[in-house]
Amino acid sequence: GAGVSQSPSNKVTEKGKDVELRCDPISGHTALYWYRQSLGQGLEFLIYFQGNSAPDKSGLPSDRFSAERTGGSVSTLTIQRTQQEDSAVYLCASSSRASGSEQYFGPGTRLTVT
Amino acid sequence: KQEVTQIPAALSVPEGENLVLNCSFTDSAIYNLQWFRQDPGKGLTSLLLIQSSQREQTSGRLNASLDKSSGRSTLYIAASQPGDSATYLCASLRGYSGGGADGLTFGKGTHLIIQP
Repeated sequence: GAGVSQSPSNKVTEKGKDVELRCDPISGHTALYWYRQSLGQGLEFLIYFQGNSAPDKSGLPSDRFSAERTGGSVSTLTIQRTQQEDSAVYLCASSSRASGSEQYFGPGTRLTVT
Repeated sequence: KQEVTQIPAALSVPEGENLVLNCSFTDSAIYNLQWFRQDPGKGLTSLLLIQSSQREQTSGRLNASLDKSSGRSTLYIAASQPGDSATYLCASLRGYSGGGADGLTFGKGTHLIIQP
């Protein structure tokens, strides 16, 4: 079956522009997660959704970052007024339920801010 | 705050050897622990998931163990092959007393090279 998909696979943007990253989870998975992987920081958790609800947004790096999920399926991560330190690979994962089940990752979106 | 440490950071061994990758975590109140592999420029592939109530899980040549009390997990790879070359990441999922979940906390990985 289809896995987690993300688009675009690569995104180059100019500093100060807004970008939107998309994640399509595995069909039927109720939990969805966003992570960021950068050279200096390793893999860090950003936010998770149970259904359309994000219980805790404190993992988002700054108020320039926001995320939403609609219809219990697709999620978008939006970064406003991008900065060079936002350059990283943004990974999305989904699991069949929030508590204790295996997370399956997408291929990621490589964001480069010039 | 949970911290996950992986040792060694890099490992290079000849093909055919058995090897052990180590992972330690500071907060034993975990929900589960998951091992992943990551190939260069790719996403993460889940290898094994160990629930907090379990001691080990096996898949093919891979065996992962979990000792919550000591805050340790190991990934054992038997009869290593060049195709096993990748970065191996361990990650813990924090447990909440009221249920629910949070994101995974990752170690920085072990970069493994299997020499043909």
